[in-house]
This record gives sequence, structure tokens and C-alpha cells, in this order.
Amino acid sequence: EDKVVQSPLSLVVHEGDTVTLNCSYEVTNFRSLLWYKQEKKAPTFLFMLTSSGIEKKSGRLSSILDKKELFSILNITATQTGDSAIYLCAPTVGGADGLTFGKGTHLIIQP
Amino acid sequence: NAGVTQTPKFRILKIGQSMTLQCAQDMNHNYMYWYRQDPGMGLKLIYYSVGAGITDKGEVPNGYNVSRSTTEDFPLRLELAAPSQTSVYFCASTKDLNQPQHFGDGTRLSIL
Repeated sequence: EDKVVQSPLSLVVHEGDTVTLNCSYEVTNFRSLLWYKQEKKAPTFLFMLTSSGIEKKSGRLSSILDKKELFSILNITATQTGDSAIYLCAPTVGGADGLTFGKGTHLIIQP
Repeated sequence: NAGVTQTPKFRILKIGQSMTLQCAQDMNHNYMYWYRQDPGMGLKLIYYSVGAGITDKGEVPNGYNVSRSTTEDFPLRLELAAPSQTSVYFCASTKDLNQPQHFGDGTRLSIL
């Protein structure tokens, strides 16, 4: 059975702090790892990672994948209150089956 | 540029009632998905479709049905609503399996 574990499940930090969110996975026929940010409504796409060791960056957010150890991290530097959200990771597999999501990390940024 | 559109946004049902959650996408995506999200949990796959006329079960299909008569629309039907189906329902689509899925804004459904 596929398994996706995110940690921590919740995190409260102050504005300006740096946070690291973790995602470990056990799936068959791994293709890529997706990160999404979910505020009040739809999950919005952040990153798709397919290769180990290659960092993807978008502003203050960055992410990297380790296919040997089966995990990914999402870093957010100089956090802002607008970063408060649930961050979801999901590995994709070879077939057309939908995504298997972790429970998410609920990140709260205090001013 | 509508993307994935879900209707209604909110609904309250009585136990035993039926309803259809609508999902439409205007991006000509072949792959479409229905997920449900319960508090503190990730999204769980209910049904998916790889193209018009083709549907398949996901992880939690019991109590639901789908159809895919056109590329654009992928409605989800609840036949006999039960309290366990109280959840937020998300529809998603993607053009191909090397692209991320795009999500609608969700339907919040309460069954009392």
C-alpha cells in the first residue's frame, strides 16, 4: 500500500523565520513528487520534482528530492503571514491513478 | 480563463437524499479526478477518468458514482447521502501525466 508521511503536522513560527517541511513516501513505480499550497480553497501547485538533488526555487520557496532515501523537503525562508497555509505533498506514479496525498503540514506564521 | 469550475460551492443534504456535484474544465484535459478532504487529512481519491467514456475507481469509491460523457464535464453523484459523506470535495484535471493536476475551489457538503 502506498504511504506518504508529512512532518511536522503543524508548525507555528514567527514572521521572518525559516521553516523546513518534510515529506517521505513509499510508492511503487515512482514518477515525480508534487508540492501544493492550500489556503482556504483549492490546492495550488508549487513544485514538481523528478530528479534527485536538483533544487527547484520560486522566490523564498525551494524544494529538493532524494529518490534514494525517498523523501523531499520544502524550505521557506523569511516567512510572511501570507505563507500561512496547509502544505501538501503527493508522489505521482506510472499509471493514470490519482495522487496519494500526505495529511499535510499546517503552517501558521505569527506576525 | 476559468480552469476547473465546481458547483455548488456549499450544500446541505438530508440523510438519504441524492445530489450531483458538477465539475467542468475548459483546458481540454483528458484526465479528471474527484477527491474528498476530511478535516486534518490529505485528499483521498474517489474516482478518476482518463478520457470521455472511461472511468475508474479510486481509493474511496463506495457511495459515489461518476460519468464522463464529454471531455469537459465529470459529475460526481451521491445516491443515498450518509453522514460519513460530509466532506469537502475537490475536482482536478491534467493534460497529461507529466503535468501537475489543477484543482477546482471545492464543494463543501454537509449531510445531516
